[in-house]
Amino acid sequence: GAVVSQHPSRVICKSGTSVKIECRSLDFQATTMFWYRQFPKQSLMLMATSNEGSKATYEQGVEKDKFLINHASLTLSTLTVTSAHPEDSSFYICSAEGPGTSGYNEQFFGPGTRLTVL
Amino acid sequence: QKEVEQDPGPLSVPEGAIVSLNCTYSNSAFQYFMWYRQYSRKGPELLMYTYSSGNKEDGRFTAQVDKSSKYISLFIRDSQPSDSATYLCAMKGAGGSYIPTFGRGTSLIVHP
Repeated sequence: GAVVSQHPSRVICKSGTSVKIECRSLDFQATTMFWYRQFPKQSLMLMATSNEGSKATYEQGVEKDKFLINHASLTLSTLTVTSAHPEDSSFYICSAEGPGTSGYNEQFFGPGTRLTVL
Repeated sequence: QKEVEQDPGPLSVPEGAIVSLNCTYSNSAFQYFMWYRQYSRKGPELLMYTYSSGNKEDGRFTAQVDKSSKYISLFIRDSQPSDSATYLCAMKGAGGSYIPTFGRGTSLIVHP
């Protein structure tokens, strides 16, 4: 099946610094990628939809200047958390849309990145 | 009222039990229904994908959709400790890109 990787798997940073998270589709090209945020024992919260070669579409309440998304190629999207603060600590998961075995396009999720801001 | 409601659990069962996981929803436009399994500190993986009402079986897993009641279920037969995970339901309407609405997930614990 399709594989999506994320890097790094976990990161600890000081308050005020910026952190970049990479999401790659390894064996397929993904025109559309998605970024989610998940708090403990909570569901996935869609942050933004990333389309290759165009600006990302952010969900209501998500600050686009704080969470910078770049989708420079069909296999790579990056999320940069700028001037991170402790309240940004969370589990960030990306997914990529691709052909699935169900016969429909599916979302394939990365393994997630645990961000801890001190 | 949230679009998708799912009891967070935890649901604790003995090994070998039949597990029933459920979600209700309010949006009658939902046409596609999915179940994902998420192990701790990992990304979700797709388990089942169904379109409209009916049943779908895959090994020990059976997904049921009842659109008239806006209710979906995932059954796990002969549950194993390795099934211990959080199970998220997700659903979306027809057309457009693949952006489902997720339930909050049910934590399942299968003890030996």
